[in-house]
Order: sequence, then structure tokens, then C-alpha cells
Amino acid sequence: QQQVKQSPQSLIVQKGGISIINCAYENTAFDYFPWYQQFPGKGPALLIAIRPDVSEKKEGRFTISFNKSAKQFSLHIMDSQPGDSATYFCAATPTGNQFYFGTGTSLTVIP
Amino acid sequence: GAVVSQHPSRVICKSGTSVKIECRSLDFQATTMFWYRQFPKQSLMLMATSNEGSKATYEQGVEKDKFLINHASLTLSTLTVTSAHPEDSSFYICSARFGGNEKLFFGSGTQLSVL
Repeated sequence: QQQVKQSPQSLIVQKGGISIINCAYENTAFDYFPWYQQFPGKGPALLIAIRPDVSEKKEGRFTISFNKSAKQFSLHIMDSQPGDSATYFCAATPTGNQFYFGTGTSLTVIP
Repeated sequence: GAVVSQHPSRVICKSGTSVKIECRSLDFQATTMFWYRQFPKQSLMLMATSNEGSKATYEQGVEKDKFLINHASLTLSTLTVTSAHPEDSSFYICSARFGGNEKLFFGSGTQLSVL
């Protein structure tokens, strides 16, 4: 059973556009929601993370929107650049001892 | 940010041989390390969780005698794929966290190809 559902599977965005990736979860015990960026042949890197006590967190061009009642959270990449082309994974954890990853979104930003 | 070093980045071996992958936390003490396996264009599949000084906890379906995990110190964990076969070919990634911190730091991954 997929604990964290992620969509879309792939995304193509024009340079300068906004990329939006969505995730949903069911387990209300989750209290930490990170997003990871992975380039081909590399391990994932922590991009940004949020806790359920806030509805939005912004770091540069990356923003997480969190809807606790809907049990959904999303990553917004503003002014998308070709260098943002990568696979993005959302994740959730209740304690930090077990992480549940989404299935990943392959983002391609077209120049 | 915290750095996790994983070596080798790529290894090619013959069927039946064993391969050891090292994962080191360079600037923090990793109380917990995780080992993942990733197939092309797929998500991370957790293989096992190891806490320093303790035996690793393996996920269901992962053969502990085939994938030996050692976490002997707070900065080093190793994954040994014993008697590797072509179906073990995959991208293996380690990650580490320290103390009560939920941040997870990943190694750069190891591409294993078994001929």
C-alpha cells in the first residue's frame, strides 16, 4: 500500500513557468514532510521540508503548500529553469525512523 | 549541510562474487542509516534500517544473508551483496540521520552491474 501518493508521474514545463507537484497521505501520524531532488545517477538531496503546523514554507523559488485537513501537500517551483530538470520525491515520516516516499515526478524544463 | 559519502559510485562484478558498498557520514554522527534500492525511473525501496551497534532491521522480502549490513561505528555503514547475481543489478543508495533530527541525508548512490 502506497503511504504517500504523488502526481503527476512526469511534467514538462516551459522555462520561466511554474512547476507543481502534488502529494497526498492518509496517516495522520506523519509530522514531517520533506521534498527531495534527484539528478540521474545521483542520490536524492533534501530540497525543502515542512511540518503540519504551518500551511506554507518558501525557500527561494521553492514553496511547499500544506493542507492538513485535506492531507495534501505540494511543491511549487517558480520561474522554473532547465537546471531544475530532475526527479522529485515527496516523503513523509511520523518519527524520522521510517520514511515513506512518493513514486517520484520526472520534471523537464524546456528552454 | 551534512555530507554522506558513498563508495564506490559504480561497480561491475562477475556473477557469484561479493561486493561491498561503504557509506560514511563525514561531518556528523549517524545514529541511523538506511539502505535503499532503486530501479530505473522508480521510487526508493527501503531494504534495511541500521542503528549503530545493533543488528540491521530488514524489510520484508529482503534476504538478510544476501545483503549484509554492518553499522559498526557512528560514521560508517557497509552493505555487502554476497554471491551477486544479475538480478541484483541496481542502484543502491544509503542515507543517514542523526539523533532526533528528521533530516535525511543521502549518499550519491552506487550503480551495481552484475555480469
